[in-house]
Amino acid sequence: AAGVIQSPRHLIKEKRETATLKCYPIPRHDTVYWYQQGPGQDPQFLISFYEKMQSDKGSIPDRFSAQQFSDYHSELNMSSLELGDSALYFCASSAQGISRANTIYFGEGSWLTVV
Amino acid sequence: AQKVTQAQTEISVVEKEDVTLDCVYETRDTTYYLFWYKQPPSGELVFLIRRNSFDEQNEISGRYSWNFQKSTSSFNFTITASQVVDSAVYFCALRRTSGSRLTFGEGTQLTVNP
Repeated sequence: AAGVIQSPRHLIKEKRETATLKCYPIPRHDTVYWYQQGPGQDPQFLISFYEKMQSDKGSIPDRFSAQQFSDYHSELNMSSLELGDSALYFCASSAQGISRANTIYFGEGSWLTVV
Repeated sequence: AQKVTQAQTEISVVEKEDVTLDCVYETRDTTYYLFWYKQPPSGELVFLIRRNSFDEQNEISGRYSWNFQKSTSSFNFTITASQVVDSAVYFCALRRTSGSRLTFGEGTQLTVNP
């Protein structure tokens, strides 16, 4: 079965540079989520989109922005990168449908290293 | 506010031992959903189970079993006859039905030694 696809899998950037992560949700899933997981930490919610509109916002820095496109894929843009942005970034998707509590499936993650 | 607590930071067992990972949660919602995810060393987050708050029936899937007790706000996970491949970080998570984000516990690092 198709899963959540994230690219790139690994990314190395220098401080103050910009990075863009891409996410392709599971087909027919209408909601995309972004999470950030620092070393030894649990995943922290950044932002989510339902039907291409922002549906929830967590601890996403102002330097970061995200959007969901008409084909439901999403991009997370990170600017003015800092060393502390080094983390594993997850994209996840779910199908809201009638129930808003469906299972959230995660991609394999994108490893960002800021040097 | 919601909170998930996994008090066991690290657990180490020998292969074939049974091991239980604890999860305690806090929520004011009367309806909610609980999850367990596995994160192996390769980093991906693998969905294991989802449990509705109104369904307290315990579930078994192969060597995995889950014990949900609403009275104690616990959702514990037991691996029977553990294997080296079970070595991973396991996360318990909570989701409100009226919202969309998952709130994770801190995770439990399980190491199964041969």
